[in-house]
Amino acid sequence: AQSVTQLGSHVSVSEGALVLLRCNYSSSVPPYLFWYVQYPNQGLQLLLKYTSAATLVKGINGFEAEFKKSETSFHLTKPSAHMSDAAEYFCAVRGYNFNKFYFGSGTKLNVKP
Amino acid sequence: DTGVSQDPRHKITKRGQNVTFRCDPISEHNRLYWYRQTLGQGPEFLTYFQNEAQLEKSRLLSDRFSAERPKGSFSTLEIQRTEQGDSAMYLCASSLAETPFDGYTFGSGTRLTVV
Repeated sequence: AQSVTQLGSHVSVSEGALVLLRCNYSSSVPPYLFWYVQYPNQGLQLLLKYTSAATLVKGINGFEAEFKKSETSFHLTKPSAHMSDAAEYFCAVRGYNFNKFYFGSGTKLNVKP
Repeated sequence: DTGVSQDPRHKITKRGQNVTFRCDPISEHNRLYWYRQTLGQGPEFLTYFQNEAQLEKSRLLSDRFSAERPKGSFSTLEIQRTEQGDSAMYLCASSLAETPFDGYTFGSGTRLTVV
């Protein structure tokens, strides 16, 4: 079975500081992992994805994530937070038959000036 | 193409009433998905279509819920006899079955409030 766990429902950082959002996965098959961002009252936008190519994946808006099989993790990072990064971030794993995603419960990122 | 469109954006209804939501996917996408997102949670899968065929339904989709995609283009999600527990954001997404490693394109959602 596939699932993801996001550690920390709220993360607060200062503008310019490192952003680290944690995601651990469980999968009975090689995982395909995704990060989505959701701004208030909007749908989800794809940030980046891991599909078994490079373990370090770069996405939009300066975000990147590293797939670590030994730690079953796919943490999202950004070197320097910007006010516009304030949003909710969801980690997701694709179902084994590619028919659906399993989402984590989300992490709300607050960026302080 | 303007992406995935959902209508209405917001719906307030009284308990016991029926509601219907519409989703227009990206035109070349043959797969269409419905998810439900409650406050503080990630989206949960409800159902998906490939073209006009409904291929999978979650156990979350009770008998009061029905979804259709009659011509393989737009889709509707109907909730009959709404309950307060149905209050949530209903998200539609679309994708191409031929590119399973891509993510979905999500719509902006329909926020349902049952009073």
